[in-house]
Amino acid sequence: GDSVTQMEGPVTLSEEAFLTINCTYTATGYPSLFWYVQYPGEGLQLLLKATKADDKGSNKGFEATYRKETTSFHLEKGSVQVSDSAVYFCALFTSGTYKYIFGTGTRLKVLA
Amino acid sequence: SAVISQKPSRDICQRGTSLTIQCQVDSQVTMMFWYRQQPGQSLTLIATANQGSEATYESGFVIDKFPISRPNLTFSTLTVSNMSPEDSSIYLCSVEEVQQGITGELFFGEGSRLTVL
Repeated sequence: GDSVTQMEGPVTLSEEAFLTINCTYTATGYPSLFWYVQYPGEGLQLLLKATKADDKGSNKGFEATYRKETTSFHLEKGSVQVSDSAVYFCALFTSGTYKYIFGTGTRLKVLA
Repeated sequence: SAVISQKPSRDICQRGTSLTIQCQVDSQVTMMFWYRQQPGQSLTLIATANQGSEATYESGFVIDKFPISRPNLTFSTLTVSNMSPEDSSIYLCSVEEVQQGITGELFFGEGSRLTVL
């Protein structure tokens, strides 16, 4: 079945460091891919998305490129801030099953 | 974008009791989803609730344990019945934005954190 695998956390970085959170997927068909972020005490909110191969989603300095050949959607940011501390979830949606599949989440902690 | 309100935001419950979680959306939506987020784990879909029909449950979840109501296009409830400590979790209500037939993002409520003693 469809699945999402993302790197385990927690990830601890200093402010202004470069961030990469790896995400790979398995799916039949052509899924849409998403990154959601959950700040402490809040619900999940969409960070960025890509709906087809080679699309790049971007928001708030975060980027991720839909790589069909490597079935990956890695999240990157060039310079993290303390306010980026949160849990990040990679997710996919396939219209065939009409289901969203979430990864296990990666907790990011940014130190000042 | 949809705004979702969930109540209660948190509760501490006794073993064997039941609790109903309410989810109110500020716009009419066709599909509403109920997820469970256990500590340190991912989101697991419990069921999909469509207005006017019975909820569709995922493998491992049954209606007797998690009855769902969907009386209209803006409201749904999830009841966690006969609770045990294993039901301690965050329960999330979610709706989907669909634009021009293309599935978009999910909007989530802030979640209901249940602790069962």
